[in-house]
Amino acid sequence: AAGVIQSPRHLIKEKRETATLKCYPIPRHDTVYWYQQGPGQDPQFLISFYEKMQSDKGSIPDRFSAQQFSDYHSELNMSSLELGDSALYFCASSNSRGGAMNTIYFGEGSWLTVV
Amino acid sequence: AQSVTQLGSHVSVSEGALVLLRCNYSSSVPPYLFWYVQYPNQGLQLLLKYTSAATLVKGINGFEAEFKKSETSFHLTKPSAHMSDAAEYFCAVNFRDDKIIFGKGTRLHILP
Repeated sequence: AAGVIQSPRHLIKEKRETATLKCYPIPRHDTVYWYQQGPGQDPQFLISFYEKMQSDKGSIPDRFSAQQFSDYHSELNMSSLELGDSALYFCASSNSRGGAMNTIYFGEGSWLTVV
Repeated sequence: AQSVTQLGSHVSVSEGALVLLRCNYSSSVPPYLFWYVQYPNQGLQLLLKYTSAATLVKGINGFEAEFKKSETSFHLTKPSAHMSDAAEYFCAVNFRDDKIIFGKGTRLHILP
């Protein structure tokens, strides 16, 4: 079965540079979530989108922005990168029409290293 | 306040022994509960989920968890540990507001 696809899988950027991560949800999933997992940390919720509109916002820095496009894929844009932004970034998706509780499925993650 | 707590950041068990990973939540209404496993340098894989149906939930790889409302717990168990079970386990909660909140995680070590 198709899963959540994230690209790139690995990314190395220098401080103050910009990075863009892409996420392709499972087909027919209408909700996308972004999480950040620092080294040895639990995943922290950043932001989510439902039907191309922002649905919830967590601990996402102002330097970061995200959007969901008409084909439901999402991009996370990170500017003025700092060393502390080095982390594993997960995208996840769910189908809001799936019933009382829609399981959230995670991608393999994108490793961002800021040097 | 709504929260999820995993007791023990590291748990070590011998191969073949019982695995018990603890998870408690704090919420005014029963949330939806999940256990995810993360192998080194990999993504998050769903082990099992509780969505207000049966309180005893069976998942993949022989794991199961029991929802106990009176104890606000959702502990993960496996009767017999295998070396391949070594990983990070996250209890996660949906407080019925769409997103998932993760516990701090428990690293499971399997001793030969």
